[in-house]
Amino acid sequence: AQSVSQHNHHVILSEAASLELGCNYSYGGTVNLFWYVQYPGQHLQLLLKYFSGDPLVKGIKGFEAEFIKSKFSFNLRKPSVQWSDTAEYFCAVKGNYGGATNKLIFGTGTLLAVQP
Amino acid sequence: DVKVTQSSRYLVKRTGEKVFLECVQDMDHENMFWYRQDPGLGLRLIYFSYDVKMKEKGDIPEGYSVSREKKERFSLILESASTNQTSMYLCASGETGGRGNQPQHFGDGTRLSIL
Repeated sequence: AQSVSQHNHHVILSEAASLELGCNYSYGGTVNLFWYVQYPGQHLQLLLKYFSGDPLVKGIKGFEAEFIKSKFSFNLRKPSVQWSDTAEYFCAVKGNYGGATNKLIFGTGTLLAVQP
Repeated sequence: DVKVTQSSRYLVKRTGEKVFLECVQDMDHENMFWYRQDPGLGLRLIYFSYDVKMKEKGDIPEGYSVSREKKERFSLILESASTNQTSMYLCASGETGGRGNQPQHFGDGTRLSIL
């Protein structure tokens, strides 16, 4: 069965610090990978996604993620965080079965607090 | 922009009540989903639907049922609410096909408290 592991449950950074949030998945086939973000009081929204091609994916608000197939990883990065990046971040994976459904498996989330 | 609308942001119900959570999407998506979100557990899939009147169990369907009579509407039903169903409930919708790379679009969530 597929699973997603996010190593850090809580991360506290100062503004301008660099960010890397870990995400590992377990699935042997072709995967589609996603990072979602949930700002306080708001709905989950897509940050970025990977499905093929360049393993370095750029998303909104200066975020990027790198798919490393050999490590089953899809870590999220940002070179310099801002206070407004305070949010909960979820990694998600979908196995590419070619089926009709769009079922995602989510990690447990990482709460990021950025101190001004 | 895709809009997924959940009928209530906050709901308080009593143990044993039958509870209905409603979700409507405006993008003609085939797939709709119900999750619950709990601290430290992330999002867990309760049920999903890939077409009108079609449904499949997710990872934690016990104590829940769903209804999809129209494409745009997906309802989650707590048959007899219990305190361990106190949670944040999220509805999502998504497109079919394209090798599965379409993201899901989420509603604002319903924070349900069972007393």
